[in-house]
Amino acid sequence: EAQVTQNPRYLITVTGKKLTVTCSQNMNHEYMSWYRQDPGLGLRQIYYSMNVEVTDKGDVPEGYKVSRKEKRNFPLILESPSPNQTSLYFCASSPMASGARHTQYFGPGTRLTVL
Amino acid sequence: AQTVTQSQPEMSVQEAETVTLSCTYDTSESNYYLFWYKQPPSRQMILVIRQEAYKQQNATENRFSVNFQKAAKSFSLKISDSQLGDTAMYFCAFVDYNQGGKLIFGQGTELSVKP
Repeated sequence: EAQVTQNPRYLITVTGKKLTVTCSQNMNHEYMSWYRQDPGLGLRQIYYSMNVEVTDKGDVPEGYKVSRKEKRNFPLILESPSPNQTSLYFCASSPMASGARHTQYFGPGTRLTVL
Repeated sequence: AQTVTQSQPEMSVQEAETVTLSCTYDTSESNYYLFWYKQPPSRQMILVIRQEAYKQQNATENRFSVNFQKAAKSFSLKISDSQLGDTAMYFCAFVDYNQGGKLIFGQGTELSVKP
């Protein structure tokens, strides 16, 4: 089944404890992206990647890191989480071929709480 | 700046009836993609339908269809034969190619389908 998977789905952690949220897609998509969703603020892009070893900042990159060493994986790293990073996080992927370009398919979401 | 506006925060419809959700957008681009995503209580973001701006024909996917008015920058979603499982938040979205393929979302319309 074609899908985007994220792990963990739920995480409660404490301030300053490094964590990684994994994202993997099995559709051979070039483009991958991370969003966070907050009440009243909607969905905002954190980072995106056009292909392996190519990443760039979105609207709210502060406090996050990403890497794209393999086409299928795009982990989101919080080096020192803070309470304002409590949010619902989505990974998304899309092909870059014209006709389907940027039709983004989302993972199930990761609910992160930072105490 | 590219913007997406959904002017109906909440709507309700009786099961088996038809409902239309409104969306307007603003862009200076001539070719782009528009999407409707559904977010049920599970919080998963599910692609409902996609419209390519250069195609005059309105997209349809089973019970879901759009009314795309390019000159008016309007992109409404019609749900026919509404089902209880259609209860969800619906987001209209636009791809901003000038900002790395970021999806720009509207504020959402919360749809309740009543038995």
